[in-house]
Amino acid sequence: AQTVTQSQPEMSVQEAETVTLSCTYDTSESDYYLFWYKQPPSRQMILVIRQEAYKQQNATENRFSVNFQKAAKSFSLKISDSQLGDAAMYFCAYTRYKLIFGTGTRLQVFP
Amino acid sequence: GAGVSQSPSNKVTEKGKDVELRCDPISGHTALYWYRQSLGQGLEFLIYFQGNSAPDKSGLPSDRFSAERTGGSVSTLTIQRTQQEDSAVYLCASSLDPNSYEQYFGPGTRLTVT
Repeated sequence: AQTVTQSQPEMSVQEAETVTLSCTYDTSESDYYLFWYKQPPSRQMILVIRQEAYKQQNATENRFSVNFQKAAKSFSLKISDSQLGDAAMYFCAYTRYKLIFGTGTRLQVFP
Repeated sequence: GAGVSQSPSNKVTEKGKDVELRCDPISGHTALYWYRQSLGQGLEFLIYFQGNSAPDKSGLPSDRFSAERTGGSVSTLTIQRTQQEDSAVYLCASSLDPNSYEQYFGPGTRLTVT
């Protein structure tokens, strides 16, 4: 069975600084997708970034980028130039159709 | 365009009562998913629909839980004889098709069983 592990229950960062959230996963499949979702207090799950397993190039979306290490089954999220609006729960997820989520990392951003 | 909508936003019910939660996916999305988010269990997959059929119901926690989808659009998740452990946020998501992988979530229904 596939599993997703987020070992950092909470992280904090100062505004304008960079923070990295960790995620590891376990699967025997070779073709899959990985996502980072953001969930603010409003409960709305917002897709931050996606990575196709067959692509070696790390995905980037503006201030968000990932470090995807397929052999190590690692998928970390880097947030650059952190903003107050980045404060939220962040979930790493694996999918081949249904999403399997990690337990989440609560990110606090301090001015 | 309109996103995924869910109703009600919040539901408080007494233990033993039945509840129905509704999900309206994005128009044209053929795949629909239900998830549950609770303090003890995190985010869990419940059921997946492709059109009106449910090829994967493996996440439904007991036979008190059922779901249907009609017309390839609206889905209803029904919980019979609710228990306190059913208290959670129930999230619905849809995607264009199962191969598109990218799922768009609704705002969820917070269910509280007293």
